[in-house]
Amino acid sequence: EAGVTQFPSHSVIEKGQTVTLRCDPISGHDNLYWYRRVMGKEIKFLLHFVKESKQDESGMPNNRFLAERTGGTYSTLKVQPAELEDSGVYFCASSHGTAYGYTFGSGTRLTVV
Amino acid sequence: AQSVTQLGSHVSVSEGALVLLRCNYSSSVPPYLFWYVQYPNQGLQLLLKYTSAATLVKGINGFEAEFKKSETSFHLTKPSAHMSDAAEYFCAVTRSGTASKLTFGTGTRLQVTL
Repeated sequence: EAGVTQFPSHSVIEKGQTVTLRCDPISGHDNLYWYRRVMGKEIKFLLHFVKESKQDESGMPNNRFLAERTGGTYSTLKVQPAELEDSGVYFCASSHGTAYGYTFGSGTRLTVV
Repeated sequence: AQSVTQLGSHVSVSEGALVLLRCNYSSSVPPYLFWYVQYPNQGLQLLLKYTSAATLVKGINGFEAEFKKSETSFHLTKPSAHMSDAAEYFCAVTRSGTASKLTFGTGTRLQVTL
């Protein structure tokens, strides 16, 4: 089966600009997660979709971040306007259920300059 | 709330030596535990998982981990390190029986020397 796909793999934007990250989960996985790793820190949870609904968005840092999951398939994470502290690697993961594990994408490295 | 502590942000071993990466967790409910590995310029790859079956879990690439409830630990081991094991390793915890979020440790970077 195809894995979790994220794009772009890298993005460099200026402070104040908008960036949209995309994640295509494994087909049939209802659960989709976004995580972020800021340099030198731990990987932190951002939010969790079950199908198209937000199950848990307790990790979203502020209202500059907007996540959507169209029709329960792919998801986008928009940062608008981007700030310097938003730089990091954004990971997406999908899961059929916890006991099956979570499959991660390769991540998007976002650099805000 | 759940948390994970990985002791040692950097671990260096000689090729052929034992690899031991430490992970302690805190959880008020029965946990599921995971080890992930990240090779340079790649994503997170699942090494192994504990989901309340056998306490000794075998994973890919010769790694294994033992769930010890009394010690709240889930240390990762490999009898003989190989150069290709050089990577960053993450321990993570979640609630058992649900599809809730993973809580990660800060990661341990493993260096393997000749």
